[in-house]
Amino acid sequence: SYELTQPPSVSVSPGQTARITCSGDALPKQYAYWYQQRPGQAPVLVMYKDSERPSGIPERFSGSSSGTTVTLTISGVQAEDEADYYCQTADSSGTYRVVFGGGTKLTVL
Amino acid sequence: QVQLQESGPGLVKPSQTLSLTCTVSGGSISSGSYYWSWIRQHPGKGLEWIGYIYYSGSTYYNPSLKSRVTISVDTSKNQFSLKLSSVTAADTAVYYCARAAMTTVTMCYFDYWGQGTLVTVSS
Repeated sequence: SYELTQPPSVSVSPGQTARITCSGDALPKQYAYWYQQRPGQAPVLVMYKDSERPSGIPERFSGSSSGTTVTLTISGVQAEDEADYYCQTADSSGTYRVVFGGGTKLTVL
Repeated sequence: QVQLQESGPGLVKPSQTLSLTCTVSGGSISSGSYYWSWIRQHPGKGLEWIGYIYYSGSTYYNPSLKSRVTISVDTSKNQFSLKLSSVTAADTAVYYCARAAMTTVTMCYFDYWGQGTLVTVSS
């Protein structure tokens, strides 16, 4: 079955840049999407189509894609960015199956 | 502003059927370009897509759950529902409903989510 792989955790100090990666074989052919989930809350879309930012999402959030890896970058990390981040795509084999990565816990030191 | 709200029992007995409803407000469930989805999250774990439905009734399910899942839609009430049969403790999770914006025939992303509801499977 198709999978997306994320690092379990990333830690940065306030003001630094956090980079969260997501790897999967279908990513060269499929867009990736990113969600932020704060404790006890529902996920929120923070990036779509690899690098498009929804309205209301701060400019410090950006996305990029290279080969089988997509990256969510948070520049000038703030304490409020501490959350779990999930990437998402769809199985490219035509099964319509939505796939989420395992999630990355971003800790702001 | 589209809003989604899950409702249903918070406790289900093993072997029974879990039933949840999602009520959509601020927009019509019959509008095109959107599917309506269920996603769950086991305690302390990641997100798992269960399936989604178009207003016409077309459904797509996660192959790992397909044999036990039914998603239906009631356009007159602007609601869609989830039924998961033969539940076990492994089905204990927070269940979210979400709007899926389709970018291609097989690709979507989730732009609006309900707050989620915890369903515990226990006798």
